[in-house]
Amino acid sequence: DAKTTQPTSMDCAEGRAANLPCNHSTISGNEYVYWYRQIHSQGPQYIIHGLKNNETNEMASLIITEDRKSSTLILPHATLRDTAVYYCIVRPPRGYGGATNKLIFGTGTLLAVQP
Amino acid sequence: NAGVTQTPKFQVLKTGQSMTLQCAQDMNHEYMSWYRQDPGMGLRLIHYSVGAGITDQGEVPNGYNVSRSTTEDFPLRLLSAAPSQTSVYFCASRTGTGAEQYFGPGTRLTVT
Repeated sequence: DAKTTQPTSMDCAEGRAANLPCNHSTISGNEYVYWYRQIHSQGPQYIIHGLKNNETNEMASLIITEDRKSSTLILPHATLRDTAVYYCIVRPPRGYGGATNKLIFGTGTLLAVQP
Repeated sequence: NAGVTQTPKFQVLKTGQSMTLQCAQDMNHEYMSWYRQDPGMGLRLIHYSVGAGITDQGEVPNGYNVSRSTTEDFPLRLLSAAPSQTSVYFCASRTGTGAEQYFGPGTRLTVT
């Protein structure tokens, strides 16, 4: 599994966009980039995933560089409830087989949204 | 749907005791997994299952057993609890081709 590198912590003002970077320079061609977050003491929550195109859903946008060696998660209008640890994870494509079931979590980025 | 449920929410064990952490999901998901999270760290995969009757080891399987007799349930057994197993345990599930894993609320285990 490819390793990811994220900053330990970031601050963001409430109402502003939060941009969380992730480096995954050893990513393979068929590996997806996933983002999860974990609000204090709760189970992780899926946010978004992508392969090489930019993706957007109701929670966030995911921007993946053309060489796929890094990506950025964007929360367009951060609120206090977005304060959490954000995990960037690289994994093989969906499907059957043991490797595809594994989510290898690093230590993530603690995003603190300030009022 | 209740989603993924875990019991108990909190547990204190003495060294050497055994216990079973329960996990159930009502979404008919094929995949289920157990993770542990130590303070200040990310989650680590203990065991997983790709369907009833099929289980496999993750990153940190030692000291834990699992079985999957039904699609809904995936219990995690601690054979002889040790202080090093003090952690928060999360169960998760997803469909065979699903991107999103659904996590339970966690079980906070302390071994003294």
